[in-house]
Amino acid sequence: DAKTTQPTSMDCAEGRAANLPCNHSTISGNEYVYWYRQIHSQGPQYIIHGLKNNETNEMASLIITEDRKSSTLILPHATLRDTAVYYCIVRARLMEYGNKLVFGAGTILRVKS
Amino acid sequence: DAGITQSPRHKVTETGTPVTLRCHQTENHRYMYWYRQDPGHGLRLIHYSYGVKDTDKGEVSDGYSVSRSKTEDFLLTLESATSSQTSVYFCAISESGRPPYEQYFGPGTRLTVT
Repeated sequence: DAKTTQPTSMDCAEGRAANLPCNHSTISGNEYVYWYRQIHSQGPQYIIHGLKNNETNEMASLIITEDRKSSTLILPHATLRDTAVYYCIVRARLMEYGNKLVFGAGTILRVKS
Repeated sequence: DAGITQSPRHKVTETGTPVTLRCHQTENHRYMYWYRQDPGHGLRLIHYSYGVKDTDKGEVSDGYSVSRSKTEDFLLTLESATSSQTSVYFCAISESGRPPYEQYFGPGTRLTVT
């Protein structure tokens, strides 16, 4: 499986942009980059995904480098409610009839007032 | 938010007793998954389903069985609970088995086996 490397933790000031990096140097050409987050005691929440192009939705932006070996999730105006563990996933292990998201350790993002 | 509920949300049971956790979805998604989450191990897949009565094992399936008799319900059974099965269990759903694999998770069930 393609491995991901994320910082263990990051801090961000409330109202500022939070930029969460992820390295995935072994990603293959047809693998998507996914970002999920998990707020304490809740289920993981899907944020965004991308293949080659940068993507934006109502929650975040995803910037993927041209060689696809790394990406950055951007929360444009972080709030206290964005404090969570953020998971970068680049491999969904294919099974015959389904798929599995492989979650790593993630980055603990602490948004501080 | 995706319509996924899990029941019960919390349960304490004794070693050796059977336990069934229920996942219910209102999205009519084909794929359903059971994960467990433990400190130091992240999320690990237990079983998954790709349709009614179609299920398969994940990476930590020993001691667990599942059933899916209706599209909306996916049951996880611990035939004889052990303390090592104390965990938080998450159900997830996915519309498609092809990329991209967006999965939507339920709120979780916290199970304690004493």
